[in-house]
Order: sequence, then structure tokens, then C-alpha cells
Amino acid sequence: DSGVTQTPKHLITATGQRVTLRCSPRSGDLSVYWYQQSLDQGLQFLIQYYNGEERAKGNILERFSAQQFPDLHSELNLSSLELGDSALYFCASSVGDGHSYEQYFGPGTRLTVT
Amino acid sequence: GQSLEQPSEVTAVEGAIVQINCTYQTSGFYGLSWYQQHDGGAPTFLSYNALDGLEETGRFSSFLSRSDSYGYLLLQELQMKDSASYFCAVRVELYGGSQGNLIFGKGTKLSVKP
Repeated sequence: DSGVTQTPKHLITATGQRVTLRCSPRSGDLSVYWYQQSLDQGLQFLIQYYNGEERAKGNILERFSAQQFPDLHSELNLSSLELGDSALYFCASSVGDGHSYEQYFGPGTRLTVT
Repeated sequence: GQSLEQPSEVTAVEGAIVQINCTYQTSGFYGLSWYQQHDGGAPTFLSYNALDGLEETGRFSSFLSRSDSYGYLLLQELQMKDSASYFCAVRVELYGGSQGNLIFGKGTKLSVKP
């Protein structure tokens, strides 16, 4: 158990809908990272937050957004969902911005868009 | 942009030694991390190399050559439980304000046979 929690574990929704994925980092970790994992693309970095502020952006679509709250939990919002958004979404955390090389991953949320 | 290359699959027998190579092309390089992911599980951190040379952690070792843009993960005394996917990830600067983010390779699926 990494100490990172993610909810829900599974999510099934229809195209065009909007969903919110939630992540709580390990106690004491200030950085939160979001990743998308699909069979053909591997683990794709989406976005990083550090202590409530956006720190870095990867391959995040404009239909996706995220935020980190004062209690350090984070939410990833996916809107206007398409079939291709079906994937495993991981949240990870690290102690600080300078420790991004050692990230602790949550169990993931499996999103299925039908 | 960044690119990483690692073999898609490797097969070895229990007790053997296996080396998983990773070559990368990137800018703003800080170091190379390795992660293990069992089927249906979350990635877990194995090792990080910021400097050239070999880092050893139990049965696992990781090597980096910055001049060759090359690294490898060495697994010794293979056990059945080592069957998993192994990802190399380069730590790079994506954003001016960030101290580096991980960009993952597509992973190497290791199968350990009895």
C-alpha cells in the first residue's frame, strides 16, 4: 500500500459526459501528479500540482482540468468524454517538487466510456 | 520532445539474470528512474540514477551513462514474482517552475519461466 488513495476504483460512463476523479496523496507529500495509462500509449504524464499550484503540464487535453485543494487532495475533471478517453488514470505523489524521481502511485481509476 | 526506447518483451528463467535496456533522447535531463508494475497494479519505484554509474539495491541494479543517453536495469536471481512490466522514465524539465517531471517509456514486459 503506497498510502495514496484514489476514488472511484471503476467508472463507466457515456460519451459526452463529465466525470471527476479524486486523489489523496501520502501524508506529508506536497506534489501530486496525474497520469493516463492506455494499452497503446503507455503511461502519459498529464499534469502536476505542488502545494496547491499548477507546476507542470504534459499531454493534457483542453477537455481535461485538475486542481489541488488546501488539504492537498486533488481532482481530475474529464469532460466531453470520448471513447478514446477510456483508460486507467493514476495519481501519484512525492515529498516535494525536487523528489519527482520517486513517486508513489495510487491504485488507479479505470474509466470506461461507452 | 522526448523519446525513450526499451524492448517490449523479455523472457527469462528463474534464477537467471536479465538486463532491460533503455535509450533516450531528451533535453533538460536530470536523471533516469525505473518502476515496476504488476498486471492490474500500480507502478512502484525501484531506483533512480542522476549520475553515471551503477546503483545496487538488493537483487536489482540500475546503470546510467549520460554521455550515451543509455541506462539499464539488471535483475539477478530472478524469481517468479519478478514477472511484471518495467518502465524506465526520464526526469526532465517540462516547466520553468518545476524541478523535473517523469516521462515514461512504454514498458518492458518480463516473463519469468520456471
